[in-house]
Amino acid sequence: DTEVTQTPKHLVMGMTNKKSLKCEQHMGHRAMYWYKQKAKKPPELMFVYSYEKLSINESVPSRFSPECPNSSLLNLHLHALQPEDSALYLCASSQTSGELTDTQYFGPGTRLTVL
Amino acid sequence: AQSVTQLDSHVSVSEGTPVLLRCNYSSSYSPSLFWYVQHPNKGLQLLLKYTSAATLVKGINGFEAEFKKSETSFHLTKPSAHMSDAAEYFCVVSDYNNNDMRFGAGTRLTVKP
Repeated sequence: DTEVTQTPKHLVMGMTNKKSLKCEQHMGHRAMYWYKQKAKKPPELMFVYSYEKLSINESVPSRFSPECPNSSLLNLHLHALQPEDSALYLCASSQTSGELTDTQYFGPGTRLTVL
Repeated sequence: AQSVTQLDSHVSVSEGTPVLLRCNYSSSYSPSLFWYVQHPNKGLQLLLKYTSAATLVKGINGFEAEFKKSETSFHLTKPSAHMSDAAEYFCVVSDYNNNDMRFGAGTRLTVKP
């Protein structure tokens, strides 16, 4: 299995809702990543988990809360989001320790719309 | 600090003609360089990666890139464009010493029939 899967594909939520994005990989990778991508822009790194521990947090607002329950699974919990948080959220994984020189394998993304 | 510049925001070619997507970088150390492709509403897929081995790197789908240290460039080429190559292409530079990674702004490739 060489895939990174993300659910849901699309999510619409209000500013008072709480929702979660899920990412899964079964390649035995030990690092997982969350990115945010606005339209016509490159992805922006949000968080990196290495061996299930948060290793990089790129000053992301606390309304985004990552969780890595095990080495195959990565969640992003969302609460009190703003309309400007609407974007494509990409998950990625890499084989080793989360060094940013590693090759990353990306999922298809979750398209989030905040009303 | 490192940076990457994709010199063209949009490139348009005819099917069957060569593709050239340009990328310049700056890095204090020996960089790792990547090209990723993103088709509409999809995630990113790795095309190729340079890590200080051979300077000419061959990737998937007939793409290749040449690392030129003297010019600080890592341009992506393909001899003959196919309609399925139409996508957004990102050049990425990363640095082991700083554990930093930078994406270029992206180049949108259009392929005309």
